Formats: sequence, C-alpha cells, structure tokens
Amino acid sequence: AQSVAQPEDQVNVAEGNPLTVKCTYSVSGNPYLFWYVQYPNRGLQFLLKYITGDNLVKGSYGFEAEFNKSQTSFHLKKPSALVSDSALYFCAVVGMNRDDKIIFGKGTRLHILP
Amino acid sequence: DGGITQSPKYLFRKEGQNVTLSCEQNLNHDAMYWYRQDPGQGLRLIYYSQIVNDFQKGDIAEGYSVSREKKESFPLTVTSAQKNPTAFYLCASSIKGSGRAYEQYFGPGTRLTVT
Repeated sequence: AQSVAQPEDQVNVAEGNPLTVKCTYSVSGNPYLFWYVQYPNRGLQFLLKYITGDNLVKGSYGFEAEFNKSQTSFHLKKPSALVSDSALYFCAVVGMNRDDKIIFGKGTRLHILP
Repeated sequence: DGGITQSPKYLFRKEGQNVTLSCEQNLNHDAMYWYRQDPGQGLRLIYYSQIVNDFQKGDIAEGYSVSREKKESFPLTVTSAQKNPTAFYLCASSIKGSGRAYEQYFGPGTRLTVT
C-alpha cells in the first residue's frame, strides 16, 4: 500500500534562514510527488511536483524539492525563509498503478519567526 | 483558489439534518474530488469523479453522497448517517482523473458545524 509521512508536526525557522520540511513516501514503482501549501481557512495551493527527470524541482514562491529515490524522500526547501511562508504544508504521493489515488501526508506547520 | 468556488464558507446545521455543499469549477477539468480535513489528520478522500455521470467512493464515503450531472458541478451531501460531520470540507479538480501526474486545484473550503 502506498503511504506518505511527514515526521514533523511543526517546524520553526528564523526569518532569513534556510528551511526544510521533510517528507518520505512508500509506493510500488516510481512515484509522482507533490507539495501543497495551505493558509488559514483556505484551500490548498499547488507548489511543485516531481514526475520524472531532474531530481531537483523548482516551484512557486522560491520553493524547491529534491527527489531522493534511495531514501524515498521528497523534502521541501527554501534558501531564505520569509514570515509570509508561515503556513501548513502537505506532501502527497501517487503510485503508478492504475487504481492508485493521491495520498496526502498529515501536514507540517511551518512557523517563520521574525 | 483558482477557478473553483465552494459555498457557503460557513455552514451550521442541527444534528439529524442532511446538508448539501456546493462545488463549481470553470477550469474545464474532467476530474473532481471531495476531501474532509480534520486537525492533525491531513486530507481524507470522500468521493471522486473522473467524468460526468460517474463517481467512485474514496476512503471515507460512509454517510456522504454525491452527484455529477454537469462537468462543472460536484455537490456533496452530508447525510444524517454521518456520525461526526463537523469538519472542513475541500473540493478539488484536476485536468484528468486518470492522469495521476496532474496536480489538483482546490476551492476555498466549507467549514461545517453540526450541533
């Protein structure tokens, strides 16, 4: 069965410092991987996805993520955090089997401290 | 929140009443989804539809019903059989349901409170 894990419920980072939000996954075969962001009382917004190709994926708002097949990870990163990056971040995975549906992680709340 | 609208934003109902949540999209997407979000549990799939007049149960379909009579609309009914209906409900769409590489676009959500 496919699954995705976000091991940290909350991450605190000082403004201007680099940030990392962790995600690991388990699927049969090669995965499709996504990151979404949710601001309070809003829907989710797509940030970036990995389908194939270059392991480093760049997305919206200066975010990027690195696909690591050997570690089955897809960590979200940003070189310099902004207070406005404070939000809830979700990792999601889809396997390559026909019946596989997208599975979301439980979310990581990111706090950027001024 | 793209071209997906959900209404109302807040909804209050008495226990035992059915309630219908609206979801409309103007993105010309084939696939539409309903999720339930509870604190600390991420998103759980209730129902999804890959094409008009067809839909499938997700992981937590019990106590919910849907219809897909038009490409643009995918309303969700929360019935009195749903034992714990108070939650934040999110509707989403994607270009194709069978194309798993396609990202989903989410509406702003409806917060349902049942007392």
